[in-house]
Amino acid sequence: AQSVTQLGSHVSVSEGALVLLRCNYSSSVPPYLFWYVQYPNQGLQLLLKYTSAATLVKGINGFEAEFKKSETSFHLTKPSAHMSDAAEYFCAVSDKRKAAGNKLTFGGGTRVLVKP
Amino acid sequence: EAGVAQSPRYKIIEKRQSVAFWCNPISGHATLYWYQQILGQGPKLLIQFQNNGVVDDSQLPKDRFSAERLKGVDSTLKIQPAKLEDSAVYLCASSFLQGLDTQYFGPGTRLTVL
Repeated sequence: AQSVTQLGSHVSVSEGALVLLRCNYSSSVPPYLFWYVQYPNQGLQLLLKYTSAATLVKGINGFEAEFKKSETSFHLTKPSAHMSDAAEYFCAVSDKRKAAGNKLTFGGGTRVLVKP
Repeated sequence: EAGVAQSPRYKIIEKRQSVAFWCNPISGHATLYWYQQILGQGPKLLIQFQNNGVVDDSQLPKDRFSAERLKGVDSTLKIQPAKLEDSAVYLCASSFLQGLDTQYFGPGTRLTVL
């Protein structure tokens, strides 16, 4: 069974500082990996996804993530935080095997607070 | 392009009552998902449809939850009878196909069971 662990349920950063959100996965085979963002009272929006091409993936809003198989990690970063980045971020995995469909397994989420 | 629509946005019921949620996916999307998001947790897949057939309902509490997608477009999720632990946000998502197609999420229905 697959699982996702997000270290830190809350992260506070200053505007202009680096944003680093940690995600580790557990899977019998390297999965597909995703980061979603959820703004208050809204649905989830895809930031980026890793599908076994380049290990460094660039997404929307200046975010990027690096897949590290040896560390079973897919950490999300943004060099300079903006006030609009305040939201909750979810890491998710999907089994590559066709029979698994497109089922996403989500981590518990990390809420980001951006201080002026 | 219109996004995934859900209604109602909020619902408050008492335990043992029944409730239904409605989802209209993005036009042309064959795959539809219902997720349950309990406060402080990530979403959990309840059921996945491909057109009007069920692909995965392994985490759906079938003694009280049911879902249908009769014409392969809109879907309804029902809870009967509701329990306190069903309080959550119910998210609907859709994708064009299965596989790696991006899932697009609706705003969700927030259910409070008293």
